[in-house]
Amino acid sequence: EAQVTQNPRYLITVTGKKLTVTCSQNMNHEYMSWYRQDPGLGLRQIYYSMNVEVTDKGDVPEGYKVSRKEKRNFPLILESPSPNQTSLYFCASSSLLGRQTPNEQFFGPGTRLTVL
Amino acid sequence: EDKVVQSPLSLVVHEGDTVTLNCSYEVTNFRSLLWYKQEKKAPTFLFMLTSSGIEKKSGRLSSILDKKELFSILNITATQTGDSAVYLCAVDRGSTLGRLYFGRGTQLTVWP
Repeated sequence: EAQVTQNPRYLITVTGKKLTVTCSQNMNHEYMSWYRQDPGLGLRQIYYSMNVEVTDKGDVPEGYKVSRKEKRNFPLILESPSPNQTSLYFCASSSLLGRQTPNEQFFGPGTRLTVL
Repeated sequence: EDKVVQSPLSLVVHEGDTVTLNCSYEVTNFRSLLWYKQEKKAPTFLFMLTSSGIEKKSGRLSSILDKKELFSILNITATQTGDSAVYLCAVDRGSTLGRLYFGRGTQLTVWP
């Protein structure tokens, strides 16, 4: 089954304790992206990757890191989480239309993160 | 500053009504516009639009893009309670490829 998986689905942690949210897709997609969703603010892009070893900042990259060492995986790292990073996080992947623009994105189930 | 504005923010209709959701944008280097539906979980893809004036249809849903006036509309005819969701519009824009900007969404509620 074609899917994007994220782990963990729920996480409660404390300020400053490094954490990683994993994202994996089995569709051989070039493009992967991380979003956070907050009430009233919609989906905001954190980081994205057009292919292996190619990553770029989205609109809200501060406090986050990513890596794309393999095509299928795109982990999101919070080196020192803070309460303002409490949010619902989505990972997504897609093929590229004409190698230029993300096609239909498939979203993972979401990770609800609470930082105390 | 790039903007993607969806209207209305919220809409309540009765089953059978037709609705039109709007997405206007002001961005640099527009490449594509995408519509998603989000129920109480992850967004699911509806349409991708890159060319003006070409309508995309899927069942009771249709969408069209106007690149001159910088907007897109999503139409839903004969609405059903299962259409209740947040509808999100996203634009791929900017000097770097793949940078997506989402609007805040339109909350559609369909009453039986």
